[in-house]
Amino acid sequence: GQQVMQIPQYQHVQEGEDFTTYCNSSTTLSNIQWYKQRPGGHPVFLIQLVKSGEVKKQKRLTFQFGEAKKNSSLHITATQTTDVGTYFCARTAGGTSYGKLTFGQGTILTVHP
Amino acid sequence: EPEVTQTPSHQVTQMGQEVILRCVPISNHLYFYWYRQILGQKVEFLVSFYNNEISEKSEIFDDQFSVERPDGSNFTLKIRSTKLEDSAMYFCASRRTGLWTEAFFGQGTRLTVV
Repeated sequence: GQQVMQIPQYQHVQEGEDFTTYCNSSTTLSNIQWYKQRPGGHPVFLIQLVKSGEVKKQKRLTFQFGEAKKNSSLHITATQTTDVGTYFCARTAGGTSYGKLTFGQGTILTVHP
Repeated sequence: EPEVTQTPSHQVTQMGQEVILRCVPISNHLYFYWYRQILGQKVEFLVSFYNNEISEKSEIFDDQFSVERPDGSNFTLKIRSTKLEDSAMYFCASRRTGLWTEAFFGQGTRLTVV
C-alpha cells in the first residue's frame, strides 16, 4: 500500500565512519522527503527528492532517489557526533490528501567518539 | 526564523479525562496537521486540516479526537476521554501552499495518561 520501509532500524558507527539508510516502497513515489529527529526532539526537514535518479548533496549528506522512484537513500560521509539522531524518510500524498506524510520506521544512528 | 509552537510541552492526565493540546502554526501556512509518536516508534499521521475543515484523518483519529481552529492563529487537538494507549508525543505541523512543500513541526507535547 502506501507504506515506506526503512532499513536498518539501528546503526552504530565510530566517529569518522560512513552511514547509509535505505527507504523502499512497493509503489512508485511522487516524491520522498527526509527528516532528522534529534533525541528528544522533533522532526526537522532535510531535503525533498522529486525526479527519477535525482542526487542531492548537503555538505556530508548525499540523498538519492532511485530510477524507478521506488527507493531512496541517505548517505553520511565521515560521521560526527552531531549526526546522532533518527533519520526518517517520508512519502508525501498529494491530491485530496493535502500533503499528508507517511513516515518510514526510521533509522536510529548512534556515533561513538 | 518562524516556527510552530506547541503548549504544553508535557501533560499528565488521568485516564478518562479530556485534554486539549494547543498549537500555533506558522502564520502564512495554510495546511495544518497533527501527528503522534509513541515512544521509540515512527511518526504517525492523525489528521490534516485545510480551509477550516478536516481534509483527511487516519484510523487512529476516532470519535474521541477532534480538531479546531478557533481563531486565526491557534490549532487545537482535543482528546475527549483519554486512554492509556493515548500516551505519546503529539506533534503539530504546518505547511505553506504548494504541492509538496516541507512540513514544519512543533516541539511536541508529551502526553502521559495514568
